[in-house]
Amino acid sequence: EAQVTQNPRYLITVTGKKLTVTCSQNMNHEYMSWYRQDPGLGLRQIYYSMNVEVTDKGDVPEGYKVSRKEKRNFPLILESPSPNQTSLYFCASSFGVGAGELFFGEGSRLTVL
Amino acid sequence: QKEVEQNSGPLSVPEGAIASLNCTYSDRGSQSFFWYRQYSGKSPELIMSIYSNGDKEDGRFTAQLNKASQYVSLLIRDSQPSDSATYLCAVNGGGASGTYKYIFGTGTRLKVLA
Repeated sequence: EAQVTQNPRYLITVTGKKLTVTCSQNMNHEYMSWYRQDPGLGLRQIYYSMNVEVTDKGDVPEGYKVSRKEKRNFPLILESPSPNQTSLYFCASSFGVGAGELFFGEGSRLTVL
Repeated sequence: QKEVEQNSGPLSVPEGAIASLNCTYSDRGSQSFFWYRQYSGKSPELIMSIYSNGDKEDGRFTAQLNKASQYVSLLIRDSQPSDSATYLCAVNGGGASGTYKYIFGTGTRLKVLA
């Protein structure tokens, strides 16, 4: 089954404790990206990657890191989480760079205390 | 001015009616346009994509694009209670404006009343 898989789906952590949210897709997609969704603010792009080793900032990259060492994986790293990073996070992938639909993972709900 | 604007709603329509959802965007170089449906707590799922001016129909859904007016809309015919959700408009520049970002509106909440 074609899918985008995120883990963990739910996480409660404390300020400053490094965490990684994994994202993997099995559709051989070139493009992968991370979004956060907050009430009233909609989906905002954090980082995106057009191919292996090629990443670029989205609209809200502060406090996040990403890497794209393999085509299928695009982990999101929070080196020192803060409460303002409490949010619902979505990973998404697309075959084309802007020419195709985004396929979303199921989301990861993160709470930073 | 927001890059992609939608009325937040809620838009309430009776069952069987036509629901009309609207979206405007600011980047004239935008190439790709998408409508996603999102149920509360779930991930967005694609309803329609449209790339050229005019109408595109798929079942009960019709997307309309007018690049000159920077306007894209979604019509839902014979609305059903199961259509009640938040509808997200998304736009991608496709590199024309130097960016490959997908930019989303904040969504319009649709309520279909049985």
